[in-house]
Amino acid sequence: SQQGEEDPQALSIQEGENATMNCSYKTSINNLQWYRQNSGRGLVHLILIRSNEREKHSGRLRVTLDTSKKSSSLLITASRAADTASYFCATAQTGANNLFFGTGTRLTVIP
Amino acid sequence: NAGVTQTPKFQVLKTGQSMTLQCAQDMNHEYMSWYRQDPGMGLRLIHYSVGAGITDQGEVPNGYNVSRSTTEDFPLRLLSAAPSQTSVYFCASSYSKGTAGNIQYFGAGTRLSVL
Repeated sequence: SQQGEEDPQALSIQEGENATMNCSYKTSINNLQWYRQNSGRGLVHLILIRSNEREKHSGRLRVTLDTSKKSSSLLITASRAADTASYFCATAQTGANNLFFGTGTRLTVIP
Repeated sequence: NAGVTQTPKFQVLKTGQSMTLQCAQDMNHEYMSWYRQDPGMGLRLIHYSVGAGITDQGEVPNGYNVSRSTTEDFPLRLLSAAPSQTSVYFCASSYSKGTAGNIQYFGAGTRLSVL
């Protein structure tokens, strides 16, 4: 399987705190993406980082990528109750459109 | 724009029955795909298509068929449903080239139970 893995599987924090989740993957990639899934809904794209980038920001999101370690992290700063969701990383190999998803981190932000 | 539309939202089948999950997108995306989501396993790719008339297998294709006669539609057929196919099914689409890369847009999902 080419699936990656997220760590931790579940994370519970207080509103206002930062949340960090990690993703490890197995193969060389073209880009890595993070998606969010609210309970009972489809996935929504959050951010994409290319293999030649090391860090990317979007609003309260910060993503890092270390291709030598085949790992990525997603940081959500100043979390809100509305951030409660599952977060998935997904990798794309060079020349391919297919995405391979990790197992997800379930984030709960307590008001 | 409606984006990616999946029907039905819920379905209960008996073992051995067949059915088709519908997926349509109105974004003129070349690439479409089907995933299944099971607890603790993330999303796994079933089949995908890079354009009308072209389909290929993903990680877990057994027991499923697809076709792509138009750019807009990508139905998934279960030939003879089995309890192991109980899952949530997601359809997704994306551009195949350009700066948008392969960012995928997902439908709301179909929750399938096979008894």
